[in-house]
Amino acid sequence: DAKTTQPNSMESNEEEPVHLPCNHSTISGTDYIHWYRQLPSQGPEYVIHGLTSNVNNRMASLAIAEDRKSSTLILHRATLRDAAVYYCILREISNFGNEKLTFGTGTRLTIIP
Amino acid sequence: GAGVSQSPSNKVTEKGKDVELRCDPISGHTALYWYRQSLGQGLEFLIYFQGNSAPDKSGLPSDRFSAERTGGSVSTLTIQRTQQEDSAVYLCASSLLLAAYEQYFGPGTRLTVT
Repeated sequence: DAKTTQPNSMESNEEEPVHLPCNHSTISGTDYIHWYRQLPSQGPEYVIHGLTSNVNNRMASLAIAEDRKSSTLILHRATLRDAAVYYCILREISNFGNEKLTFGTGTRLTIIP
Repeated sequence: GAGVSQSPSNKVTEKGKDVELRCDPISGHTALYWYRQSLGQGLEFLIYFQGNSAPDKSGLPSDRFSAERTGGSVSTLTIQRTQQEDSAVYLCASSLLLAAYEQYFGPGTRLTVT
């Protein structure tokens, strides 16, 4: 089964870029890479997702390695409000049309003022 | 528009009692997901529905857990004979379709088994 690996924690200074890595060396060709974050005492919220190409949205950028075995979530300018646990998730449509989800353990991001 | 709602927001129950947790997904979302998050832990995937069908129930922790979805909308997660280790926040999410679309999470139900 596919598996994701993330560092347990990271720290970054406020107003600096943050690169959050995720390894998914057993990813299959149909797996979408999703990132969610969970602020303290809240439910997870969607950040970004992609399949093969790099993606940008108003919240972040997602850089996907050419072999798709890893990806990096990029917060271009961290603010204190970005302090959260960030989850890397693989979502796959199986041959039978069912969905399989694989989660990372999450990276706790601390922003230093 | 309305987001994903869950009820109750908090539930305290005695060990051995049955509980039902409810999830109302965003209207029109065909996929619905249940997760569990124990205190200080990450997300644990339990089950998902595509329409009213749950193709894979292997993520449910034990046979005391069951889930159903009716009318392609509301879903209930039932825990029978609750145990203290069932205490957690149970989160529901919905998605327009599978995989390629983002999930929207509800606020969760905090279950405490005494």
